[in-house]
Amino acid sequence: EPEVTQTPSHQVTQMGQEVILRCVPISNHLYFYWYRQILGQKVEFLVSFYNNEISEKSEIFDDQFSVERPDGSNFTLKIRSTKLEDSAMYFCASSGKLAGVRETQYFGPGTRLLVL
Amino acid sequence: RKEVEQDPGPFNVPEGATVAFNCTYSNSASQSFFWYRQDCRKEPKLLMSVYSSGNEDGRFTAQLNRASQYISLLIRDSKLSDSATYLCVVIRYSGGYQKVTFGTGTKLQVIP
Repeated sequence: EPEVTQTPSHQVTQMGQEVILRCVPISNHLYFYWYRQILGQKVEFLVSFYNNEISEKSEIFDDQFSVERPDGSNFTLKIRSTKLEDSAMYFCASSGKLAGVRETQYFGPGTRLLVL
Repeated sequence: RKEVEQDPGPFNVPEGATVAFNCTYSNSASQSFFWYRQDCRKEPKLLMSVYSSGNEDGRFTAQLNRASQYISLLIRDSKLSDSATYLCVVIRYSGGYQKVTFGTGTKLQVIP
């Protein structure tokens, strides 16, 4: 069964450093998403991406964040200057169509980011 | 008012019991609804979509009540493996884009 993969599984970084989280969505999917989940809290939408551009972003997704699809398979989330409060699990998801009643998002296993 | 609200639980139920969760949403323009389950420190996984007519998948039944703006999940004959956090997900569309909102989740613990 096709799956979304994410690397690394864990990342520890110093405050102020840049991090890039990588995702390989399911190969024939067209819509890509990043979410984060701070430990013990709910899953929060960050951004959706379609046709090589951001289609929607939340208030969390400020200028410190950017996304890119550098080639045909990878989808990355960059945090330019990490803050302590960026520590969270970051999930990538993809869907074949605009997520709707008969089209769901498939989540990757997540990258746990710890900012010290 | 939060856009999506769930009772965080935990719901502690014995094996074989029937348990129901509700999730309310505040925006009447919401159009798509899902239940996901999330095991501890794992990614959310789709449990089922929720259709207007209600739908059933084995021991699981999902209902949507648009008038009262809530969705429900019923689990019959609970198994130990059903222990997880159940996330309500609501999607609304605007200008061709979508806004995806997760509830905080309801924790279920099935006890032997």
